[in-house]
This record gives sequence, C-alpha cells and structure tokens, in this order.
Amino acid sequence: EIVLTQSPATLSLSPGERATLSCRTSQSVSSSLAWYQQKPGQAPRLLMYDASNRATGIPARFSGSGSGTDFTLTISSLEPEDSAVYYCQQRISWWTFGQGTKVEIK
Amino acid sequence: EVQLLESGGGLVQPGGSLRLSCAASGFTFNNYCVSWVRQAPGKGLEWVSAVSGGGDNTYYADSVKGRFTIFRDNSKNTLYLQMNSLRADDTAVYYCAKELADGKPYDNWGQGTLVTVSS
Repeated sequence: EIVLTQSPATLSLSPGERATLSCRTSQSVSSSLAWYQQKPGQAPRLLMYDASNRATGIPARFSGSGSGTDFTLTISSLEPEDSAVYYCQQRISWWTFGQGTKVEIK
Repeated sequence: EVQLLESGGGLVQPGGSLRLSCAASGFTFNNYCVSWVRQAPGKGLEWVSAVSGGGDNTYYADSVKGRFTIFRDNSKNTLYLQMNSLRADDTAVYYCAKELADGKPYDNWGQGTLVTVSS
C-alpha cells in the first residue's frame, strides 16, 4: 500500500498570504496525485488532478506541482473561503488518501 | 448535471448488516468506475471499495475485505454496498464517488450517508 504523508497538520495564515501544503508518497506515483478541499459538513471537492491540472471551476490561485514522491499544493493569495481541510490522493496503485492539512484563516 | 444520491444509512448494532445505495444520474453510469469512501467522525478520508464500469472487477480495503460487498446495477444506474458483520469502527459518513476518467481521481461525490454502529 502506498502511504501518503501530508504536512503541516495545520496551517494558520492571514488573508492574502501564500499557503504551501506538502504531500509525500512512500513510493513513486509519477504524476498520479490529486488534491481535494473539504469544508465542514460538505463532501470533498476535486481541486487538482495529475499533480498540476486544475479541475473544472477551480480558481487560478490554486496550483499544484511535483512528481515522483514529493508534491505541493499552493494557494497564492488566501481568501476567507479557503478555510478547509485539504487532502491529497494517489491513484496509480489502488486508492489512498493523505491524512489532511487544515488551513485556518486568521 | 452529475448527481450521486446515497441512502440506506442508519443506526445498527455491532454484528449487524446494512445495505447502502447510491443513485446516479447525469452521466453514462456504466462507463465509469465508482467507489465508496468513508469518513469517521472528525477523521480523514478512507477509501473503502470500488467497482469497474461493467461490474466485473471489484476492489476492497483490507479493513472491510470479507465483510463488505460492492456491486452495481447498471440498468438502474445504482451502486450498492452490502455491509455485514459491522463493527464500531465502521461508524462513518459513507460517500459514493465517480472517477473523472479511468485511473483518475473523483470529480463528483454524493452528499454522504451516516452509518452508526452502536449498541
């Protein structure tokens, strides 16, 4: 099983700041890495797929990068509505999720 | 518009059974692999099971293998999860989810149905 480790566990930033979230996989997943956003009481929403492709309707302030075992989700300028938990997921070998990073807006 | 609507959740005693359903609309159901993903209260996402578009291939997490069965009825555009020998740690919101394309992540999710295993 491929294990995904996200860091940090919590990120507390002010509106307009840049957020950098990390996802590391226990073995290479090439670029088969996705990011989701989940707000309280809601289902997850797909943000990025294939490491760097934005899903339909996702604002340009969200970007993804990386390949192999190290991946990054960047929110270039935080908005209040970006407060959520963010999960990474690999899809190269079955399906596994990271444990999540909570982004808090001060 | 793609819609996934789960039902069948509820309170069940340890050792009991429950069947979840997910009614799909807005896309060609039999063209897509669909999955069940769960989330225990206050916890992260856990993939549970998946079934290929034709229903021939099924996949299970180790935590549910031998207890849960996933199947689909493409004539009814519905996904199912038969859950037997339920345990307290199966308590979670269960989501059905559709893949963007084969081997891609989930681009559509249902609203979830809560399963509570407790005496």
